[in-house]
Amino acid sequence: QQPVQSPQAVILREGEDAVINCSSSKALYSVHWYRQKHGEAPVFLMILLKGGEQKGHEKISASFNEKKQQSSLYLTASQLSYSGTYFCGTVSREGSQGNLIFGKGTKLSVKP
Amino acid sequence: DTEVTQTPKHLVMGMTNKKSLKCEQHMGHRAMYWYKQKAKKPPELMFVYSYEKLSINESVPSRFSPECPNSSLLNLHLHALQPEDSALYLCASSHLAGVSYEQYFGPGTRLTVT
Repeated sequence: QQPVQSPQAVILREGEDAVINCSSSKALYSVHWYRQKHGEAPVFLMILLKGGEQKGHEKISASFNEKKQQSSLYLTASQLSYSGTYFCGTVSREGSQGNLIFGKGTKLSVKP
Repeated sequence: DTEVTQTPKHLVMGMTNKKSLKCEQHMGHRAMYWYKQKAKKPPELMFVYSYEKLSINESVPSRFSPECPNSSLLNLHLHALQPEDSALYLCASSHLAGVSYEQYFGPGTRLTVT
């Protein structure tokens, strides 16, 4: 079942902060975050695992609430390069082969 | 080298044609994936290969036929496609097929079916 992302879109000025949320109705093993710029491939940002382990880019922070099956991606002091569409991908208990189901995405625009 | 390459970048084909998309990675990954992405939509998983064996087939029509000749290569054979199959086809790879492995995506092949 597809996770739900919010907001659908957000516009920021450089230096402002944003939070992107991802929630699922299914119990999750992990949540993955990717950013895709227009015309480019999705790029890995972070994985959050059941049990608290995380791995990803140092400048990216995120959280995973296992009880609520929710994850949030925190973008602080945004830069122009942060613009793009952010997708969360979830892996449920049944999907142990790493088959990601992506949310619809959050379009982030950072303006000077 | 953290790169996944895909060829061709663009492909236009008729509904009666047979064509193939190619994907290659040299990161020593043992899992490879095909995704389909329509405009302004998220990627949708089509197939997962783990150790060169098909492990997941997300109910994809038989006009799409994947092949994994070795651990570095992944092909997607196309035959008798429909106009609604026009999309960006993304290949990805990961160290292993599991919940904790990040996926590296190629730039995709933009397919147009006429």
